[in-house]
Amino acid sequence: AQSVTQLDSQVPVFEEAPVELRCNYSSSVSVYLFWYVQYPNQGLQLLLKYLSGSTLVESINGFEAEFNKSQTSFHLRKPSVHISDTAEYFCAVSDIRNTPLVFGKGTRLSVIA
Amino acid sequence: EADIYQTPRYLVIGTGKKITLECSQTMGHDKMYWYQQDPGMELHLIHYSYGVNSTEKGDLSSESTVSRIRTEHFPLTLESARPSHTSQYLCASSAGQGWEETQYFGPGTRLLVL
Repeated sequence: AQSVTQLDSQVPVFEEAPVELRCNYSSSVSVYLFWYVQYPNQGLQLLLKYLSGSTLVESINGFEAEFNKSQTSFHLRKPSVHISDTAEYFCAVSDIRNTPLVFGKGTRLSVIA
Repeated sequence: EADIYQTPRYLVIGTGKKITLECSQTMGHDKMYWYQQDPGMELHLIHYSYGVNSTEKGDLSSESTVSRIRTEHFPLTLESARPSHTSQYLCASSAGQGWEETQYFGPGTRLLVL
């Protein structure tokens, strides 16, 4: 079965600084990878996903993630964060066998003014 | 913005009570899900449905039950609440049948059982 590890439970970062939220997965077959974001007092919403094709995927608000098969990683990055990026970020994986999504424990990103 | 609703948002209840958490979506999605999330922990899938009259158990054993009589409605019931049921419950839905589809989440229900 697949699994997801988010190595950092909390990441504080100053406004306008770059950030990387780490995600590693394990699976014996090809995977689908997701990043979901949960803003305070809201439900989770999809930030970006990798299904196939280009290994670099981007969101509309400046985040990007790169699928690295050899390192089994799907780290999320943003070159310059805003206060409004403060949220909980969840990495998730499914695979081509049509198995349910498995979520990581989440990383709380706190942007400091 | 996704149209998926959960009620109540917060519930404090005594041990032994029967409770039903409501989830509704207006997007016509076939697939619906219930997740349980403890603070600082992973989301765990407890139930899902491929469509009307279809329900499946997820990867986390749960004493709750679900029903799917209408496409838009996927309620979760606890027959006898216990303190161990204290958690946040998240409902979600997606179009199609595959797990690669984007899931749309409701705001969640925070349950406290005394």
